[in-house]
Amino acid sequence: AQSVSQHNHHVILSEAASLELGCNYSYGGTVNLFWYVQYPGQHLQLLLKYFSGDPLVKGIKGFEAEFIKSKFSFNLRKPSVQWSDTAEYFCAASPSGGYNKLIFGAGTRLAVHP
Amino acid sequence: GAVVSQHPSWVICKSGTSVKIECRSLDFQATTMFWYRQFPKQSLMLMATSNEGSKATYEQGVEKDKFLINHASLTLSTLTVTSAHPEDSSFYICSAKSAGGNSNQPQHFGDGTRLSIL
Repeated sequence: AQSVSQHNHHVILSEAASLELGCNYSYGGTVNLFWYVQYPGQHLQLLLKYFSGDPLVKGIKGFEAEFIKSKFSFNLRKPSVQWSDTAEYFCAASPSGGYNKLIFGAGTRLAVHP
Repeated sequence: GAVVSQHPSWVICKSGTSVKIECRSLDFQATTMFWYRQFPKQSLMLMATSNEGSKATYEQGVEKDKFLINHASLTLSTLTVTSAHPEDSSFYICSAKSAGGNSNQPQHFGDGTRLSIL
């Protein structure tokens, strides 16, 4: 079955620390990949997406992610986190392409301490 | 732009009652809306895909007679949990896709509805 797994359920960092959140998907065909963020009390928002082309994609708020096909991975990174990055982060895949059926990971709750 | 409103945000009701949740796209037309369910500390699970004017497509394991979906207009989809029981308690989230010309229109998410069945 198609699935998305996120390695960490909870991450705690101090401000200015670097962030890397792991995401792996299980699907051998063409897949589009996404990272969504949910700030406390808010709805899911798209951080970045990968459809094709350059495997290093840049998103909003200084986030980036790298698609490594051989590892079925799409890890999210940010060189220096801020307190305002405290949120829950979801990795998602769309095996059917585009923004159609999305399969989500379980989410990673990030807490950034000042 | 691209705001999706979900109502109610929280509902508590007795076992056996039916509950309707509304999902509205406020500033765009949505030919496709999606309904997700999220259990505590788990991922969002797609329940069904709803296309305006046609029957919803349910994911495997989702009872279509239990979770009735109606997408009667380009701005409104409803999810009705019929004869709700405590095991239906969950967080329900909808999303909507713009009526664009290709599949690369993003999904915009609502704030979710927390349903508690006593």
